[in-house]
Amino acid sequence: DAGVIQSPRHEVTEMGQEVTLRCKPISGHNSLFWYRQTMMRGLELLIYFNNNVPIDDSGMPEDRFSAKMPNASFSTLKIQPSEPRDSAVYFCASSSGTLGEQFFGPGTRLTVL
Amino acid sequence: AQKVTQAQTEISVVEKEDVTLDCVYETRDTTYYLFWYKQPPSGELVFLIRRNSFDEQNEISGRYSWNFQKSTSSFNFTITASQVVDSAVYFCALSHSGGYNKLIFGAGTRLAVHP
Repeated sequence: DAGVIQSPRHEVTEMGQEVTLRCKPISGHNSLFWYRQTMMRGLELLIYFNNNVPIDDSGMPEDRFSAKMPNASFSTLKIQPSEPRDSAVYFCASSSGTLGEQFFGPGTRLTVL
Repeated sequence: AQKVTQAQTEISVVEKEDVTLDCVYETRDTTYYLFWYKQPPSGELVFLIRRNSFDEQNEISGRYSWNFQKSTSSFNFTITASQVVDSAVYFCALSHSGGYNKLIFGAGTRLAVHP
Protein backbone atom coordinates (compact mmCIF):
# COMPACT_ATOMS: atom_id res chain seq x y z
CA ASP A 1 0.00 0.00 0.00
CA ALA A 2 1.20 3.51 -0.78
CA GLY A 3 2.16 5.65 2.15
CA VAL A 4 1.73 9.39 2.40
CA ILE A 5 2.89 11.03 -0.81
CA GLN A 6 4.37 14.50 -0.91
CA SER A 7 5.49 16.61 -3.81
CA PRO A 8 7.81 18.11 -4.69
CA ARG A 9 10.56 16.46 -2.66
CA HIS A 10 12.81 19.46 -3.07
CA GLU A 11 11.93 23.05 -3.88
CA VAL A 12 14.30 25.95 -4.35
CA THR A 13 12.75 29.34 -4.89
CA GLU A 14 13.53 33.00 -4.53
CA MET A 15 12.22 35.27 -1.85
CA GLY A 16 8.83 36.68 -2.72
CA GLN A 17 7.73 33.76 -4.86
CA GLU A 18 4.68 31.65 -4.16
CA VAL A 19 5.33 28.08 -3.06
CA THR A 20 2.79 25.26 -3.05
CA LEU A 21 3.45 21.96 -1.33
CA ARG A 22 1.22 18.98 -1.99
CA CYS A 23 0.17 15.96 0.01
CA LYS A 24 -1.82 12.81 -0.66
CA PRO A 25 -2.72 11.02 2.58
CA ILE A 26 -3.02 7.28 3.01
CA SER A 27 -6.30 6.08 1.55
CA GLY A 28 -8.94 5.75 4.25
CA HIS A 29 -7.24 8.09 6.70
CA ASN A 30 -9.45 10.99 7.72
CA SER A 31 -6.98 13.10 9.68
CA LEU A 32 -4.19 15.09 8.05
CA PHE A 33 -1.40 17.08 9.63
CA TRP A 34 1.21 19.50 8.28
CA TYR A 35 4.47 19.83 10.24
CA ARG A 36 7.60 21.91 9.79
CA GLN A 37 11.07 20.81 10.88
CA THR A 38 13.92 23.25 11.43
CA MET A 39 17.15 23.04 13.36
CA MET A 40 16.10 25.89 15.61
CA ARG A 41 12.53 24.88 16.42
CA GLY A 42 12.50 21.14 15.79
CA LEU A 43 9.25 19.53 14.67
CA GLU A 44 6.19 21.71 15.05
CA LEU A 45 2.59 21.22 14.00
CA LEU A 46 1.29 23.83 11.59
CA ILE A 47 -2.28 22.72 10.94
CA TYR A 48 -4.59 19.75 11.43
CA PHE A 49 -7.56 18.67 9.29
CA ASN A 50 -10.23 16.17 10.24
CA ASN A 51 -12.61 14.98 7.53
CA ASN A 52 -11.23 17.73 5.27
CA VAL A 53 -12.10 20.48 7.75
CA PRO A 54 -9.34 22.57 9.39
CA ILE A 55 -9.61 21.99 13.13
CA ASP A 56 -6.50 23.60 14.55
CA ASP A 57 -4.38 26.13 12.65
CA SER A 58 -2.81 27.73 15.70
CA GLY A 59 0.62 26.65 14.55
CA MET A 60 0.48 28.47 11.23
CA PRO A 61 3.16 31.10 11.64
CA GLU A 62 1.75 33.98 9.62
CA ASP A 63 -0.91 34.99 7.17
CA ARG A 64 1.56 34.19 4.43
CA PHE A 65 0.82 30.53 5.15
CA SER A 66 -2.43 28.89 4.09
CA ALA A 67 -3.58 25.29 3.79
CA LYS A 68 -6.50 23.63 2.07
CA MET A 69 -7.95 20.18 1.84
CA PRO A 70 -10.49 20.16 -1.00
CA ASN A 71 -11.11 16.42 -0.72
CA ALA A 72 -10.09 13.38 1.29
CA SER A 73 -7.15 12.56 -0.92
CA PHE A 74 -5.41 15.88 -1.39
CA SER A 75 -4.09 18.80 0.62
CA THR A 76 -1.92 21.81 -0.14
CA LEU A 77 0.21 24.12 1.95
CA LYS A 78 0.89 27.45 0.31
CA ILE A 79 3.36 30.16 1.25
CA GLN A 80 2.87 33.53 -0.41
CA PRO A 81 5.17 35.42 -0.46
CA SER A 82 7.98 33.13 0.66
CA GLU A 83 10.88 34.36 2.80
CA PRO A 84 14.31 32.86 3.56
CA ARG A 85 13.21 32.01 7.12
CA ASP A 86 10.59 29.66 5.67
CA SER A 87 13.40 27.33 4.61
CA ALA A 88 12.69 24.01 6.31
CA VAL A 89 11.50 20.48 5.73
CA TYR A 90 7.73 20.31 5.58
CA PHE A 91 6.08 17.01 6.47
CA CYS A 92 2.58 15.85 5.87
CA ALA A 93 1.16 13.06 8.04
CA SER A 94 -2.13 11.21 8.12
CA SER A 95 -3.92 9.02 10.60
CA SER A 96 -7.06 6.98 10.90
CA GLY A 97 -9.30 8.73 13.39
CA THR A 98 -8.35 11.56 15.66
CA LEU A 99 -6.29 9.43 18.04
CA GLY A 100 -4.57 7.06 15.64
CA GLU A 101 -0.84 6.97 15.14
CA GLN A 102 0.38 9.36 12.48
CA PHE A 103 2.22 8.15 9.39
CA PHE A 104 4.52 10.68 7.81
CA GLY A 105 5.36 11.40 4.21
CA PRO A 106 8.96 11.76 3.00
CA GLY A 107 8.87 15.53 3.41
CA THR A 108 9.52 18.48 1.12
CA ARG A 109 12.81 20.28 1.62
CA LEU A 110 12.15 23.95 0.88
CA THR A 111 14.96 26.43 0.32
CA VAL A 112 14.08 30.09 -0.11
CA LEU A 113 16.98 32.17 -1.39
CA ALA B 1 1.98 22.91 29.89
CA GLN B 2 2.95 19.85 27.93
CA LYS B 3 6.58 19.19 27.26
CA VAL B 4 8.89 16.39 26.15
CA THR B 5 12.55 16.40 27.12
CA GLN B 6 15.19 14.28 25.46
CA ALA B 7 18.27 15.29 27.39
CA GLN B 8 20.70 13.26 25.28
CA THR B 9 21.52 15.27 22.19
CA GLU B 10 23.89 12.73 20.68
CA ILE B 11 24.94 9.20 21.57
CA SER B 12 27.75 7.28 19.96
CA VAL B 13 28.15 3.53 20.43
CA VAL B 14 29.97 0.65 18.82
CA GLU B 15 28.00 -2.02 17.07
CA LYS B 16 26.50 -4.71 19.35
CA GLU B 17 26.38 -2.41 22.34
CA ASP B 18 23.05 -1.86 24.07
CA VAL B 19 21.86 1.74 24.18
CA THR B 20 19.02 3.48 26.01
CA LEU B 21 17.43 6.70 24.82
CA ASP B 22 15.78 8.72 27.55
CA CYS B 23 12.48 10.54 27.33
CA VAL B 24 10.85 12.53 30.11
CA TYR B 25 7.48 14.17 29.64
CA GLU B 26 5.28 16.69 31.42
CA THR B 27 1.51 16.79 31.26
CA ARG B 28 -1.42 17.49 33.55
CA ASP B 29 -3.69 15.17 31.60
CA THR B 30 -4.62 11.77 32.97
CA THR B 31 -5.20 10.36 29.49
CA TYR B 32 -2.45 10.78 26.96
CA TYR B 33 -0.36 8.87 24.45
CA LEU B 34 3.38 8.57 24.06
CA PHE B 35 5.19 7.83 20.81
CA TRP B 36 8.62 7.11 19.43
CA TYR B 37 9.61 7.93 15.86
CA LYS B 38 12.83 7.21 13.99
CA GLN B 39 14.31 9.60 11.42
CA PRO B 40 17.09 7.88 9.45
CA PRO B 41 19.56 9.87 7.34
CA SER B 42 17.16 9.65 4.39
CA GLY B 43 14.90 12.03 6.30
CA GLU B 44 11.55 10.32 6.59
CA LEU B 45 9.86 9.85 9.97
CA VAL B 46 9.11 6.25 10.82
CA PHE B 47 6.53 5.37 13.47
CA LEU B 48 7.88 2.91 16.05
CA ILE B 49 5.42 2.68 18.92
CA ARG B 50 2.42 4.26 20.63
CA ARG B 51 1.56 3.80 24.28
CA ASN B 52 -1.46 5.03 26.19
CA SER B 53 -1.21 6.37 29.71
CA PHE B 54 -3.14 3.46 31.21
CA ASP B 55 -0.84 0.78 29.90
CA GLU B 56 2.43 0.64 31.79
CA GLN B 57 3.47 -2.75 30.54
CA ASN B 58 6.89 -2.79 28.97
CA GLU B 59 6.95 -3.66 25.30
CA ILE B 60 9.51 -5.61 23.33
CA SER B 61 9.73 -5.80 19.56
CA GLY B 62 12.78 -7.67 18.37
CA ARG B 63 15.85 -5.70 19.47
CA TYR B 64 13.70 -2.76 20.56
CA SER B 65 12.13 -2.39 23.99
CA TRP B 66 10.30 0.39 25.76
CA ASN B 67 10.01 1.13 29.46
CA PHE B 68 7.07 3.33 30.51
CA GLN B 69 7.07 4.55 34.10
CA LYS B 70 4.36 6.99 35.11
CA SER B 71 5.94 7.49 38.54
CA THR B 72 8.93 9.17 36.91
CA SER B 73 7.10 10.44 33.79
CA SER B 74 9.52 8.58 31.59
CA PHE B 75 9.21 6.52 28.43
CA ASN B 76 12.67 5.20 27.65
CA PHE B 77 13.69 3.28 24.55
CA THR B 78 16.38 0.60 24.52
CA ILE B 79 18.06 -0.93 21.50
CA THR B 80 19.76 -4.23 22.25
CA ALA B 81 22.80 -5.29 20.23
CA SER B 82 22.81 -2.10 18.18
CA GLN B 83 23.54 -2.20 14.47
CA VAL B 84 24.82 0.41 12.04
CA VAL B 85 21.33 0.58 10.49
CA ASP B 86 20.03 1.89 13.82
CA SER B 87 21.91 5.14 13.23
CA ALA B 88 19.24 7.82 13.11
CA VAL B 89 17.61 10.61 15.07
CA TYR B 90 14.98 9.29 17.45
CA PHE B 91 12.08 11.44 18.58
CA CYS B 92 9.85 10.94 21.57
CA ALA B 93 6.43 12.60 21.37
CA LEU B 94 3.44 13.23 23.61
CA SER B 95 -0.10 13.69 22.41
CA HIS B 96 -2.12 16.68 23.40
CA SER B 97 -5.46 15.84 24.92
CA GLY B 98 -7.41 18.38 22.94
CA GLY B 99 -9.52 15.75 21.24
CA TYR B 100 -6.91 14.65 18.76
CA ASN B 101 -3.31 13.54 18.54
CA LYS B 102 -1.55 16.88 18.39
CA LEU B 103 1.99 15.64 18.85
CA ILE B 104 4.45 17.52 21.01
CA PHE B 105 7.91 16.34 19.96
CA GLY B 106 11.10 16.27 21.94
CA ALA B 107 14.24 17.71 20.39
CA GLY B 108 15.45 14.28 19.35
CA THR B 109 18.50 12.15 20.13
CA ARG B 110 21.00 11.49 17.37
CA LEU B 111 22.31 7.94 17.63
CA ALA B 112 25.47 6.97 15.78
CA VAL B 113 26.36 3.29 15.71
CA HIS B 114 29.89 2.62 14.52
CA PRO B 115 31.13 -0.68 13.10
